[in-house]
Amino acid sequence: EPEVTQTPSHQVTQMGQEVILRCVPISNHLYFYWYRQILGQKVEFLVSFYNNEISEKSEIFDDQFSVERPDGSNFTLKIRSTKLEDSAMYFCASRILYEQYFGPGTRLTVT
Amino acid sequence: SQQGEEDPQALSIQEGENATMNCSYKTSINNLQWYRQNSGRGLVHLILIRSNEREKHSGRLRVTLDTSKKSSSLLITASRAADTASYFCATSYTGANSKLTFGKGITLSVRP
Repeated sequence: EPEVTQTPSHQVTQMGQEVILRCVPISNHLYFYWYRQILGQKVEFLVSFYNNEISEKSEIFDDQFSVERPDGSNFTLKIRSTKLEDSAMYFCASRILYEQYFGPGTRLTVT
Repeated sequence: SQQGEEDPQALSIQEGENATMNCSYKTSINNLQWYRQNSGRGLVHLILIRSNEREKHSGRLRVTLDTSKKSSSLLITASRAADTASYFCATSYTGANSKLTFGKGITLSVRP
């Protein structure tokens, strides 16, 4: 069964560094999402992406964040200058109909 | 906010018993989805119910939706120790690119 995959599974970075989180959505899906979950808290929407552009973004998704679908298969989330409060689990999701399918997540730890 | 809120926050049952988890939300929705999350792992999609549906089944799962009360319930019948996980409801409103809004989740413990 097709799955959303994410790499790396765990990323440790220093404050101020740039990180790129990678996702490979399910191949025939058209809508792509990033969410995050700070430890012990609820899953929060960051951004949705369709037809090679951002369709919606949350207040969390400020100028430090960007997304890209560079080659028709990968979907990336970049954080330009990480802060301590960016430490969280980041989930990629994709859908073609209504169900959103999530990847296993990347645990980002900012020290 | 249209966020879903689940209750109870934690539920502990014996293997073989049924587990019922509830979710309430605030605004009109297009659909409601339930997810399971094992500790530190990803979100597994369980079931989706559309706003024009009242009940849906999938294996040992039964979901109901009451749009007049803005609430949904997830019933897991004949629970197993492997059902131990956190369960989240997530709502989506009308819109082609609609995001999911998650509740805080319910921690289900099934004792062997």
